[in-house]
Amino acid sequence: DGGITQSPKYLFRKEGQNVTLSCEQNLNHDAMYWYRQDPGQGLRLIYYSQIVNDFQKGDIAEGYSVSREKKESFPLTVTSAQKNPTAFYLCASSISSGLTDTQYFGPGTRLTVL
Amino acid sequence: SQQGEEDPQALSIQEGENATMNCSYKTSINNLQWYRQNSGRGLVHLILIRSNEREKHSGRLRVTLDTSKKSSSLLITASRAADTASYFCATVSQAGTALIFGKGTTLSVSS
Repeated sequence: DGGITQSPKYLFRKEGQNVTLSCEQNLNHDAMYWYRQDPGQGLRLIYYSQIVNDFQKGDIAEGYSVSREKKESFPLTVTSAQKNPTAFYLCASSISSGLTDTQYFGPGTRLTVL
Repeated sequence: SQQGEEDPQALSIQEGENATMNCSYKTSINNLQWYRQNSGRGLVHLILIRSNEREKHSGRLRVTLDTSKKSSSLLITASRAADTASYFCATVSQAGTALIFGKGTTLSVSS
């Protein structure tokens, strides 16, 4: 899991509530990413950030929001607008957003909406 | 978005056997990466092969890349029970800034 931490490991939320997932890295990486993984599926990109105070939408950004106020932190908020939020969420980072960069992943947060 | 597709979806073998999984993709790439995911955990990078490379080795792993067929294969030799995991290929398009992952191959190695 490298130098990336995600918390909490498990999260339960009632419908209609917003919830924020934490992602912190101490690798001094510029780029950070949020992915969603559903059972039997690959990873789908939600948001990514190439540098502090900047972020871009990925393929499935609707119902999610992010911020990048510090280099080491990239929290993801799952809003009540996200229709089907139950999933496994993975945060990753890379040295830069260069095309050859390896991504380092956190251990993930499993979100369940009750 | 382009996406790598792994084949087979699931593979069950005995310890000591070799495991081969394949990845096909749709558009031109700069490189292709393979990652491993143990159940309920994050992904771990295994190996990266550049578009101008045809084969690469890392320990018991051997990766090949055929850009004319837009495909790659990952071979794990002399498999162990600890190799049980899901394996994903990921590609970066020439215009992209993020990795695109396939759905993965789930490998089960029994002792």
